[in-house]
Amino acid sequence: EVQLVESGGGLVQPGGSLRLSCAASRFTFTSYSMNWVRQTPGKGLEWVSYISSSSTTIYYADSVKGRFTISRDNAKNSLYLEMNSLRAEDTAVYYCARTIGFGVYYMDVWGTGTTVTVS
Amino acid sequence: EIVLTQSPGILSLSPGERATLSCRASQTVTSSHLAWYQQKPGQAPRLLIYGASSRATGTPDRISGRGSGTDFTLSISRLEPEDFAVYYCQQYGRSPWTFGQGTKVEIK
Repeated sequence: EVQLVESGGGLVQPGGSLRLSCAASRFTFTSYSMNWVRQTPGKGLEWVSYISSSSTTIYYADSVKGRFTISRDNAKNSLYLEMNSLRAEDTAVYYCARTIGFGVYYMDVWGTGTTVTVS
Repeated sequence: EIVLTQSPGILSLSPGERATLSCRASQTVTSSHLAWYQQKPGQAPRLLIYGASSRATGTPDRISGRGSGTDFTLSISRLEPEDFAVYYCQQYGRSPWTFGQGTKVEIK
């Protein structure tokens, strides 16, 4: 079964940093674009960032632009999110999610999520 | 950005009844690039519908989507116990991709 597993969440102080990872398995990672999506009780689901299969195209939500950096290592079948200057409003469950890309951006596989608490 | 408004917020129905969920966009969703997801407590969202009306792998026939432009609908013809959950729409026609706030389908 296709699988995405996030890790790296935790408790961090405001202004601090955290690096999330997402390990992909049982599919050809290099054929897919990837996203980070976060969820809070108050704001619901929020798309955070996108990276194409070869890392040539990257997008960020305005709320994280300049603070978060998405990257991937295709040799390790892994996706990352480097989060700096964290704020209380970044507190959320963070999911990695697969997407086909090339104009098709629905998310067909999601990870189980990792919780980030900024306090 | 495109704002998606889902209604109703909560839908209280009995098993076997029909559910109709609405998703309205603040601007035209290009090429019907709209998806629906189901989320159960403690789980990640699961893709149900993409392209406004195409079922994802594993989506049962009783679940269908339709619509275009700014108005989209998800229908569940006969609610099964496993259908009671929260449903989200998402537009992916224009960045930033956005989600609706969700409709909870609960057992009456």
